[in-house]
Amino acid sequence: GAVVSQHPSRVICKSGTSVKIECRSLDFQATTMFWYRQFPKQSLMLMATSNEGSKATYEQGVEKDKFLINHASLTLSTLTVTSAHPEDSSFYICSARDRTALDQPQHFGDGTRLSIL
Amino acid sequence: RKEVEQDPGPFNVPEGATVAFNCTYSNSASQSFFWYRQDCRKEPKLLMSVYSSGNEDGRFTAQLNRASQYISLLIRDSKLSDSATYLCVVNGRNYGQNFVFGPGTRLSVLP
Repeated sequence: GAVVSQHPSRVICKSGTSVKIECRSLDFQATTMFWYRQFPKQSLMLMATSNEGSKATYEQGVEKDKFLINHASLTLSTLTVTSAHPEDSSFYICSARDRTALDQPQHFGDGTRLSIL
Repeated sequence: RKEVEQDPGPFNVPEGATVAFNCTYSNSASQSFFWYRQDCRKEPKLLMSVYSSGNEDGRFTAQLNRASQYISLLIRDSKLSDSATYLCVVNGRNYGQNFVFGPGTRLSVLP
C-alpha cells in the first residue's frame, strides 16, 4: 500500500531553534501534501496545504513566515518551524494523496512530536 | 457551526458491546467520507470508507445519509483493541481537496 515517511519522529530542542520536518511519499507521487498539528486531547487541525512547484496555502491563523513549507518535488514536502517556542510544542503530521487517485483517502506519515524547552 | 461534528464522548463500554458513533457535516457538496481511528500519540489510520449504500467490514458497519448530512459507524462485539479515538472525515471545500476531520470520539472498551 501507499506509504508516507515522515522524519524525524521526535524532536526536543531549545527555544529559538528552527526545526525542519520532512514528509516523503515513497511509492506514489503527490502534487498536494497536507500539514496538520494536533495538541493534546484535541483534533487534528490543518495548518497548510503544500502544492508542488508553487506556494503553500495556509489556513487562517497560521503564520506563513513562522511555518515555512517547501514542496520542491512530487515526493517531498518540508515544514520548517522557525525560531520555535514552547507554544509550538505539538504533534505535527503530514499526509499526501496519490495524484492519480484524488478521490482516495489521504495517507499519513507517522507524525513528529516536537517539544520545545 | 463546525464543518464536521461528532458525539463528544468518551464512550466506555464492556467487551462484546455494540457501540455506535454519529457524525454530521455541514458542506452539502462533500463527496467523500471516511472513518479513521487514532491511537494515543499515533497518526490516524484509515478504518473504512463510507459509501452511499452503506458498507460493512467485519464487525464494522458504516452508513451515510446525504439528505441529513449524517454518517454513522457501528462496532459490534467490541474488543479491547478497539479502544481508540474514532475520527469522522469528510472531504473539504472542493472535491479532491483537503479532508476535514471531526474532533473525534474516544472509545474505551473495558474487560
